[in-house]
Parts: sequence; structure tokens; C-alpha cells
Amino acid sequence: SQTIHQWPATLVQPVGSPLSLECTVEGTSNPNLYWYRQAAGRGLQLLFYSVGIGQISSEVPQNLSASRPQDRQFILSSKKLLLSDSGFYLCAWSVDTGSYGYTFGSGTRLTVV
Amino acid sequence: EDKVVQSPLSLVVHEGDTVTLNCSYEVTNFRSLLWYKQEKKAPTFLFMLTSSGIEKKSGRLSSILDKKELFSILNITATQTGDSAVYLCARGSSNTGKLIFGQGTTLQVKP
Repeated sequence: SQTIHQWPATLVQPVGSPLSLECTVEGTSNPNLYWYRQAAGRGLQLLFYSVGIGQISSEVPQNLSASRPQDRQFILSSKKLLLSDSGFYLCAWSVDTGSYGYTFGSGTRLTVV
Repeated sequence: EDKVVQSPLSLVVHEGDTVTLNCSYEVTNFRSLLWYKQEKKAPTFLFMLTSSGIEKKSGRLSSILDKKELFSILNITATQTGDSAVYLCARGSSNTGKLIFGQGTTLQVKP
């Protein structure tokens, strides 16, 4: 069966520090991968999605970047965190186009102080 | 930009009440409308709707889609405290792989 792992679960980082969040999927190949952010009391905002190794699409201009160095690995990064980067980050995967739903990771709660 | 709008944004009810959550969307290339329940961490899948007028049911939860009027509702009957959560609506597009989410409805069920 397919599983998705996301870590760390919580993170407190100072402003200006770097960030690296990792997500891996097991039990499937060539998944579509997604990073979402959820601000407090808000819905999910799509940040990045990837349909293959090295292929990254960015949805909104921001302080973050994403990379997909391996088929089932998706990394969210920042060189210098801003206070506004605080939020709940969710990784997700889907087969094909994803219009029939995603499976989400357990999320990372990031607080920038 | 396609939008998904949920209402109400928050709702407080007592156990045993019935609630109706609303989701409207603006879209071309519609493929699917999905409902998720989010408690403390990752959203969990509830329903996927692709055809108008066909009700999907799971226990006390049910959902239906109206593709002409571009909305969906999620009904919860005989609510329980365990139904307290954020309910997210999302729509999928036929020409991209993305789900666009609404802002969610926060439901609190009091004993």
C-alpha cells in the first residue's frame, strides 16, 4: 500500500534562517507531488506541484522553493525565512492528474519567530 | 483564477443537530468536487462528486453536486462531538492536476 511521510512535525525557526521540509512517498512510482500551505483559520493554498523528477511548477510568488531530486521525494526550502512563512505545510501525492483526490502527509507546523 | 467559496466559515451546533455546509465554485474544465475533513493534522477524504444529482452517503454524512448551479452541499445528521473539525471543499480541473480548495468551514459540535 502507498504511504506518505512528512517531517518534521513541528518546527520553530528564527527569521532569516534556512528551511528544509522533506516528503517521501512509498508504494507507488511517478506520483504527482504537491506542497500546500494553510495559514491559521484558512484553506489550503497550493504552493508547488511536480509531475516528475526535476519538474516543478510554482503557483504563487514567494520566499520558498521546491525540488524533486528523486521520483518519490519532494523538498520544500527557503534560504531565509520570513515571519509570513509561518503556517501549516502539507505534502500530498496523487496518481495521474490528481483531479480525483490527493493523499496528504501529516503536515509540518512551522513557526517563524 | 478559479475560486472555491465555502459557507458558513464557522458553525456551532449541539449534538443531535443536522448541519448543511455549502461549497460553490467558478470553473471551466470541471472534473470533480471533493470534500475533506481536517481535525488536527492532515485532511482525510470524505467524498468525491463528478455527476450532478447523485447523492453520496457514508453513515451520517452525505453530499450532492449541482453542476448547473455550480455548488455542492455536505450534510451531517445527528451530529456528534467527534464531527468537530474543519471541512474543506476542493474542485479538480480536467486540464490540470491541481485541486483548488475553499477556505473551509469550522464546525464545532457541543455536547
